[in-house]
Amino acid sequence: NAGVTQTPKFQVLKTGQSMTLQCAQDMNHNSMYWYRQDPGMGLRLIYYSASEGTTDKGEVPNGYNVSRLNKREFSLRLESAAPSQTSVYFCASSLTGYEQYFGPGTRLTVT
Amino acid sequence: KQEVTQIPAALSVPEGENLVLNCSFTDSAIYNLQWFRQDPGKGLTSLLLIQSSQREQTSGRLNASLDKSSGRSTLYIAASQPGDSATYLCAVRPYNDYKLSFGAGTTVTVRA
Repeated sequence: NAGVTQTPKFQVLKTGQSMTLQCAQDMNHNSMYWYRQDPGMGLRLIYYSASEGTTDKGEVPNGYNVSRLNKREFSLRLESAAPSQTSVYFCASSLTGYEQYFGPGTRLTVT
Repeated sequence: KQEVTQIPAALSVPEGENLVLNCSFTDSAIYNLQWFRQDPGKGLTSLLLIQSSQREQTSGRLNASLDKSSGRSTLYIAASQPGDSATYLCAVRPYNDYKLSFGAGTTVTVRA
């Protein structure tokens, strides 16, 4: 039982490049989330998916897109990376209304 | 907009002392409140979740209380150990929404 897994763990991009962050959970949770964590800003929600087939914007969605591929997987795409997207990205999952469980994070640097 | 505040931002105590961590929130219409632990360079680990109808939750040396009407939660860690050194975050979830609002965290150092 791996919980929430994220790939890659680290990534360096040049401005304008694109990439997809992958997230998977094996806890049969229906809701999944993407957050970013920045010093002094705390954790902020980018997008979430309440259930398979649905996605909604969070607090800071600009510059990102998401795909809920199936119940297990929720990916985050940066179409044209910008230095302001340098951050640590966390994926989380939960049964609706219950505890959220977090992955280990992806540390992204955009130069 | 929900604002979540954790004071102090950092705390250093000698081993064995009890820890008291505070979390306050501006909108008392919450569905639940969750406490997390984050070690440097790692993800968040859920410690306790308190539903809005509950006053407290306990797990081992950890006890979290919730006073919804005053917009406060307190996390108590009894007999602290160096392994308790970490950043502790609280997050609240409103009714009819999935979004958690996080505090900035309290970084705890337990000195041996």
